[in-house]
Amino acid sequence: DTGVSQDPRHKITKRGQNVTFRCDPISEHNRLYWYRQTLGQGPEFLTYFQNEAQLEKSRLLSDRFSAERPKGSFSTLEIQRTEQGDSAMYLCASKPGFTDTQYFGPGTRLTVL
Amino acid sequence: QKEVEQDPGPLSVPEGAIVSLNCTYSNSAFQYFMWYRQYSRKGPELLMYTYSSGNKEDGRFTAQVDKSSKYISLFIRDSQPSDSATYLCAMRTGGATNKLIFGTGTLLAVQP
Repeated sequence: DTGVSQDPRHKITKRGQNVTFRCDPISEHNRLYWYRQTLGQGPEFLTYFQNEAQLEKSRLLSDRFSAERPKGSFSTLEIQRTEQGDSAMYLCASKPGFTDTQYFGPGTRLTVL
Repeated sequence: QKEVEQDPGPLSVPEGAIVSLNCTYSNSAFQYFMWYRQYSRKGPELLMYTYSSGNKEDGRFTAQVDKSSKYISLFIRDSQPSDSATYLCAMRTGGATNKLIFGTGTLLAVQP
């Protein structure tokens, strides 16, 4: 399978714990995006990388959130001190620089108890 | 007010019906318009992509954009039970980020 992969697919955690998600984009896609999708809503943009550089962050990305893409390949999204309001599907998407199509992964569903 | 408005449905139609899905938007800077399909517990999958006003057809799917009215539509002909999914409209400006602004999605059920 050469699509975007995300790990884990599901994560249940207790409030106050830290969690980290991983996204592996399609090989050679230099652009990578994180979105958050809550129940009954469309995905909302969180942040964007071009290669290893994080070029834009949404105001939705509070100080408890941090994202990295250290070698311009896979990316991680960490949430510190999770809150119940963080419960959502976290989606990763990638695209090559020359097209407009973003390819989405299956998402990581986070439940904060 | 959200930048992109979409009726969440649910919309239930019999197999073979023509389905019409719509979104309105407020930001006149949007230039690129997309429709994604999302099955339950899966990531969105791109169905249609259009630039500026006009129609685009791909098989049973037709996308329309009317920039003067800030209104986009997706038509599905001869709908099938396998079309049952959430349909998300998405759009973006011409900026370098290419970040997408999505509607809330419309849940479609095609009854056999």
